Amino acid sequence: QSVLTQPPSVSGAPGQRVTISCTGSSSNIGAGYDVHWYQQLPGTAPKLLIYGNNNRPSGVPDRFSGSKSGTSVSLAITGLQAEDEADYYCQSYDSSLSSGVFGGGTKLTVL
Amino acid sequence: QVQLVQSGAEVKKPGASVKVSCKASGYTFITYDISWVRQAPGQGLEWMAWISANSGSTNYAQKIQGRVTMTTDTSTSTAYMEVRSLRSDDTAVYYCARGSSSGSLGMDVWGQGTTVIVSS
Repeated sequence: QSVLTQPPSVSGAPGQRVTISCTGSSSNIGAGYDVHWYQQLPGTAPKLLIYGNNNRPSGVPDRFSGSKSGTSVSLAITGLQAEDEADYYCQSYDSSLSSGVFGGGTKLTVL
Repeated sequence: QVQLVQSGAEVKKPGASVKVSCKASGYTFITYDISWVRQAPGQGLEWMAWISANSGSTNYAQKIQGRVTMTTDTSTSTAYMEVRSLRSDDTAVYYCARGSSSGSLGMDVWGQGTTVIVSS
């Protein structure tokens, strides 16, 4: 059971908008620790997609955006493309565990 | 360009140890932390440990604390992770990444991964 909770899967048609939620608690997201999102394409290393809750690294399309509210964060992907099909993970820090924590991951399927 | 290059795949027997290296290039090694993350077959990402390349301070996940040691060699810009008393559930792809688990910038550069198989 992951400390951060994500839906196991989401899907959408090309061009649509999808969101992936990541729910934590008062010892991680609710405590103000930054949340980061990673995209992992099949057979490859994860790639930083969003850092500091809502910032995009250079090179990441503005179709990807992050938001935060209370003990939850969300990743939104607009204008879905076939190449977006991947696993997505949220990550933060937990003060009770004194360690980094990941969500269980969400598999995005582009229909 | 900024990159992290990890050592090759390992096959170990239960109870043995493994040491994985992660060589950094393209940036000043001591100005960033290094984290280690692993992924068991078909599973999600699991944060393992973090080391400050500047001070050598470390932080380990409770699950693996006591069996893992992280070190750095600043002369070669290389980070190392050693896991002792290997068990079958240590079988995973091990990634090093630039950045810490608590930082505001995330882990922005990742190594290619090192497969460690623990099998008798």
